[in-house]
Amino acid sequence: DTGVSQDPRHKITKRGQNVTFRCDPISEHNRLYWYRQTLGQGPEFLTYFQNEAQLEKSRLLSDRFSAERPKGSFSTLEIQRTEQGDSAMYLCASSLGTASVKLFFGSGTQLSVL
Amino acid sequence: GNSVTQMEGPVTLSEEAFLTINCTYTATGYPSLFWYVQYPGEGLQLLLKATKADDKGSNKGFEATYRKETTSFHLEKGSVQVSDSAVYFCALSDLDSGGSNYKLTFGKGTLLTVNP
Repeated sequence: DTGVSQDPRHKITKRGQNVTFRCDPISEHNRLYWYRQTLGQGPEFLTYFQNEAQLEKSRLLSDRFSAERPKGSFSTLEIQRTEQGDSAMYLCASSLGTASVKLFFGSGTQLSVL
Repeated sequence: GNSVTQMEGPVTLSEEAFLTINCTYTATGYPSLFWYVQYPGEGLQLLLKATKADDKGSNKGFEATYRKETTSFHLEKGSVQVSDSAVYFCALSDLDSGGSNYKLTFGKGTLLTVNP
């Protein structure tokens, strides 16, 4: 069990650029979640996958955001035309099964949009 | 929609003091309740959970009891240590249309600092 890993740990970009983050869940976990956390706030749900199917997207996920989980393994979160308001910590989590929501979180990707 | 309200921080205590962090929730159905902890520089990790009314979750000296009548899940520890300094998040599981738990809704978090 190597835990949930996220890459990169930090990303600085200029407004208007596109960015992509990667998440590798715990290998046998079939569910994968993306959350966003801003300073002084709790994590806010963005989207989740069960295997390769994206089952729900929050209204926070504008059309500039897209997430994929090809083959039900790693996942990517892309933000197009970044805005300063996108600056946040992006967290990935995974869990096993459908009865439990014991989420295992990665350390996150800190995005700064200048 | 579902929501979680935590007491405002920061909370500063001396070592060996008693800790309470209040958490109340609004939810439909019967969600599971959780406390997650985030130590400095680390990711969130599950501290304890309770899946039904009157259940008590416990771990590392921390306890919380699922109180349906007061919709609360307060976190307590009898004697805190410096190493308990962290941000604590209360959370509940949202239920899908089939009544299964599927994602978490978090409170804003409470920063705890324990001084020696």
